[in-house]
Amino acid sequence: ETGVTQSPTHLIKTRGQQVTLRCSSQSGHNTVSWYQQALGQGPQFIFQYYREEENGRGNFPPRFSGLQFPNYSSELNVNALELDDSALYLCASRPATTDTQYFGPGTRLTVL
Amino acid sequence: AQKITQTQPGMFVQEKEAVTLDCTYDTSDQSYGLFWYKQPSSGEMIFLIYQGSYDEQNATEGRYSLNFQKARKSANLVISASQLGDSAMYFCAMREGRPGLSGNTPLVFGKGTRLSVIA
Repeated sequence: ETGVTQSPTHLIKTRGQQVTLRCSSQSGHNTVSWYQQALGQGPQFIFQYYREEENGRGNFPPRFSGLQFPNYSSELNVNALELDDSALYLCASRPATTDTQYFGPGTRLTVL
Repeated sequence: AQKITQTQPGMFVQEKEAVTLDCTYDTSDQSYGLFWYKQPSSGEMIFLIYQGSYDEQNATEGRYSLNFQKARKSANLVISASQLGDSAMYFCAMREGRPGLSGNTPLVFGKGTRLSVIA
């Protein structure tokens, strides 16, 4: 039990739509990262937030955006969905005292 | 070049036997961290074990141990006394540089190894 939760579990959208995925982590986990995992691949880093500011980004276009809130929850927003956005989206949080990121169960997004 | 290489797409092991999952990494940083995660079919990434680049002892966590060979840049995961519940995807990952409190600490993952434990 990592204490990291994500919602929804599954989501189906059509191309061009917008989607918001949510993550809630434990108290004290000031850093949250989002990853995209395509089928058969390892997770790819999207971006990271620390104390509500984005402080790192992977090779993803600006239509992938995020927010982090003071209550240790965060959001991943994807605009203008494309078929290739179909993937498992994983949220991971890290407490300040360790180097380890703890993952939530993920949201499986299907874009039709 | 791949930062993390896992050369075994799939592995089979008999229940109660030990198994080694291979991982090699590529970095020019002196400070880095190496992680192994287990991903069952449900999708959640479960943290198993961590090795810091300055740690002199190999990390161990219960039935999991990490065979860290710094000069060879390898960080193999050893699972002893395999159980049916160990069947899953296993990912090796690396964090480069010092994380600090607010450091940008993305994990770079390999492509994974699917482990199947046979009764």
